[in-house]
Amino acid sequence: DAKTTQPPSMDCAEGRAANLPCNHSTISGNEYVYWYRQIHSQGPQYIIHGLKNNETNEMASLIITEDRKSSTLILPHATLRDTAVYYCIVVNDYKLSFGAGTTVTVRA
Amino acid sequence: DTAVSQTPKYLVTQMGNDKSIKCEQNLGHDTMYWYKQDSKKFLKIMFSYNNKELIINETVPNRFSPKSPDKAHLNLHINSLELGDSAVYFCASSQDIGGLDTQYFGPGTRLTVL
Repeated sequence: DAKTTQPPSMDCAEGRAANLPCNHSTISGNEYVYWYRQIHSQGPQYIIHGLKNNETNEMASLIITEDRKSSTLILPHATLRDTAVYYCIVVNDYKLSFGAGTTVTVRA
Repeated sequence: DTAVSQTPKYLVTQMGNDKSIKCEQNLGHDTMYWYKQDSKKFLKIMFSYNNKELIINETVPNRFSPKSPDKAHLNLHINSLELGDSAVYFCASSQDIGGLDTQYFGPGTRLTVL
């Protein structure tokens, strides 16, 4: 699997959009970008995934650059309950390999 | 209804003991996994089973033995526990094998070896 690089931490104001970057410059053509998050003391939770096109669901939006070397997860209106570690994972079918992720703290 | 459940939630034991962690999923999925999250918070896959067949074994010591009595259950038995086994163990399930199918995680079992 291609490796990903994420900032270790970021803060976000409640009610504002949170933009979480992820670099995956060695991604290959058949690898997807997946995002999971882990709220403190809980199991990871799936958020969204994409291959080439931008994706949106009820939780978030995923913007993938045209060259696919980076992506951004957008939480449109962050709430205190969105405080968690967010993992960007590049997957080619075999398994999920979690990195260190980005610790996002949403502040009131 | 809990989709993926694990028991116990907490497990404290002495070095050298043998212990088991149980996992059950009611999602009707064919694939189940065990992950380990150590003190540095890295989450690593240990095993995956598909239809009761072992698919992934990530060079885990053979003191760890998964058992899948049926598709809905994947238990983890650990022999001769060591201090380094202290971690949070997460069970997960997905419909198909591999990372491309959404995985649903249980709440975790915090194992402390004294």
